[in-house]
Amino acid sequence: DTGVSQNPRHKITKRGQNVTFRCDPISEHNRLYWYRQTLGQGPEFLTYFQNEAQLEKSRLLSDRFSAERPKGSFSTLEIQRTEQGDSAMYLCASSQTGSHQPQHFGDGTRLSIL
Amino acid sequence: DQQVKQNSPSLSVQEGRISILNCDYTNSMFDYFLWYKKYPAEGPTFLISISSIKDKNEDGRFTVFLNKSAKHLSLHIVPSQPGDSAVYFCAAMFGNEKLTFGTGTRLTIIP
Repeated sequence: DTGVSQNPRHKITKRGQNVTFRCDPISEHNRLYWYRQTLGQGPEFLTYFQNEAQLEKSRLLSDRFSAERPKGSFSTLEIQRTEQGDSAMYLCASSQTGSHQPQHFGDGTRLSIL
Repeated sequence: DQQVKQNSPSLSVQEGRISILNCDYTNSMFDYFLWYKKYPAEGPTFLISISSIKDKNEDGRFTVFLNKSAKHLSLHIVPSQPGDSAVYFCAAMFGNEKLTFGTGTRLTIIP
């Protein structure tokens, strides 16, 4: 039984560069979520998908951020023109559809902007 | 606007004793509450949850209590073990959508 898989685990890049992260959810889970966590804080919601449809985006998700889930399986999160403030842990989670389903998290991608 | 609050950043408990972690929320629309445990360099791991129609849910050494009138929930771990040392996050949900997390409590179990 594989859990949520995220790649890469760590990304270091220079300010202004574009980065893309990948998330592979638990195979039978239709819902996929992206969160961001900074030091000393809990994870903050960014966006989520039901199959391939993006159902909600947080106002934290500026126009430099875009997420896709083209075939309803894996998802990508792209950040364009990265800024220092984008440095954080980016977490992906998945869950089954239906009420009161716990979300299961991957180990995250840590983004460091130089 | 912190809708889920964990007011104790840290807690130390002797091994074998009870650990009690607290969480308060402000949004009365929340109807599902979860506790996650997080080790360094890993993602949060789901521990236990409770629906707003219940006031208690138990799973082995872990029990979650919900007091809706006080908008308060707590996680009890008994007996506490060294492997329980981690950061614990309280989270809340309305419907089956996004989670709103607290800022976490670092639990240290003293052998």
